[in-house]
Amino acid sequence: DAKTTQPPSMDCAEGRAANLPCNHSTISGNEYVYWYRQIHSQGPQYIIHGLKNNETNEMASLIITEDRKSSTLILPHATLRDTAVYYCIVRVAGGQGAQKLVFGQGTRLTINP
Amino acid sequence: NAGVMQNPRHLVRRRGQEARLRCSPMKGHSHVYWYRQLPEEGLKFMVYLQKENIIDESGMPKERFSAEFPKEGPSILRIQQVVRGDSAAYFCASSASPQVSGNTIYFGEGSWLTVV
Repeated sequence: DAKTTQPPSMDCAEGRAANLPCNHSTISGNEYVYWYRQIHSQGPQYIIHGLKNNETNEMASLIITEDRKSSTLILPHATLRDTAVYYCIVRVAGGQGAQKLVFGQGTRLTINP
Repeated sequence: NAGVMQNPRHLVRRRGQEARLRCSPMKGHSHVYWYRQLPEEGLKFMVYLQKENIIDESGMPKERFSAEFPKEGPSILRIQQVVRGDSAAYFCASSASPQVSGNTIYFGEGSWLTVV
């Protein structure tokens, strides 16, 4: 079972920042938070991941709370092409015990013109 | 999605036939994962393989489904005697060894199986 909770759907206006929340209250100390998205009829696309510190790359920013029980994915300037289902996943990454990804239902993000 | 190659992209099979889906991992990746996505549903893990080894097959149906990742060549997901309920998108993903820091999993574009 997925160890994360996400809102089923969200809307955001084009050009605005999209903030997608995720709760992972049972996360373990060696588990990372991963974000993927799936645009209709395509394979899941890796976005970003983090352990404790906030992370930023060319696609998005990841803000993880100090207690690590929740996180927020930020798309700073959403475009229509960002309309997709976004998945927040916790996973042990690296070393013994590295695990597959377990997908929940995700958040269906719709970017409106 | 760059680098994980799946073929065929679309496959139509009659009930009772066999379906073979192939996956070539990203260069340098030795771990392969297969997922299934039924229409209007989420991604469900099927099997996790390393070269010549099945690591985790907890999501594989007990009958008709098998997977392999030989020393040479692509990983193969094989479905024997297909039924209409096997119609789905099958996604392959790959990663480097767990010993490699980062170890992000990357997905291919999927193979769409339609059983008629």
